[in-house]
Amino acid sequence: QKEVEQNSGPLSVPEGAIASLNCTYSDRGSQSFFWYRQYSGKSPELIMSIYSNGDKEDGRFTAQLNKASQYVSLLIRDSQPSDSATYLCAGGRRGGSARQLTFGSGTQLTVLP
Amino acid sequence: GAVVSQHPSRVICKSGTSVKIECRSLDFQATTMFWYRQFPKQSLMLMATSNEGSKATYEQGVEKDKFLINHASLTLSTLTVTSAHPEDSSFYICSAIVSSAHSSNQPQHFGDGTRLSIL
Repeated sequence: QKEVEQNSGPLSVPEGAIASLNCTYSDRGSQSFFWYRQYSGKSPELIMSIYSNGDKEDGRFTAQLNKASQYVSLLIRDSQPSDSATYLCAGGRRGGSARQLTFGSGTQLTVLP
Repeated sequence: GAVVSQHPSRVICKSGTSVKIECRSLDFQATTMFWYRQFPKQSLMLMATSNEGSKATYEQGVEKDKFLINHASLTLSTLTVTSAHPEDSSFYICSAIVSSAHSSNQPQHFGDGTRLSIL
């Protein structure tokens, strides 16, 4: 079982719709979670970080964390074609080098104009 | 802030060549840097954790004699792929964490990556 799992997609939504990306993790010791966006051929860029249960909003993006159910999600409101990319969910390990991240396999999102 | 520069962005070379990739934190000090490898349509795979002034910690299955890491200063880590072969062709990405941050929740900031192609 992978430590961080994502639906590989691809996920397609029309422009203006809400895109919902989901991620589950197996390590209950994970403390911090990050969503990165990666355009084809580019390196990941940080979109959102979340550490506490509940919702965290930043512009059109909302991250949700439920530690009891061990899932993290990212909602993108008013999706734009420029949001088309692969979204990577990452969890931070506890102990040892606590800042190491484990990445999911990514979800490819396409926003159709 | 928190800009990470990676150089070169692209390398094409013959089999048997050694290739050095540099990762620099431009506006912050980074005690810890990470090196990842990403094959097409796959996620990032952590290769090693680079700690300033000490030996790197390699992930299982990564040959430390093949992938030499040096982190001699708080702003520079280098990865050298020694005697590269076609199977080493991949997208190599470094990341860094701000050293001054006390919280273990600080995000990693990524360089732009190096696309390595071995002929």
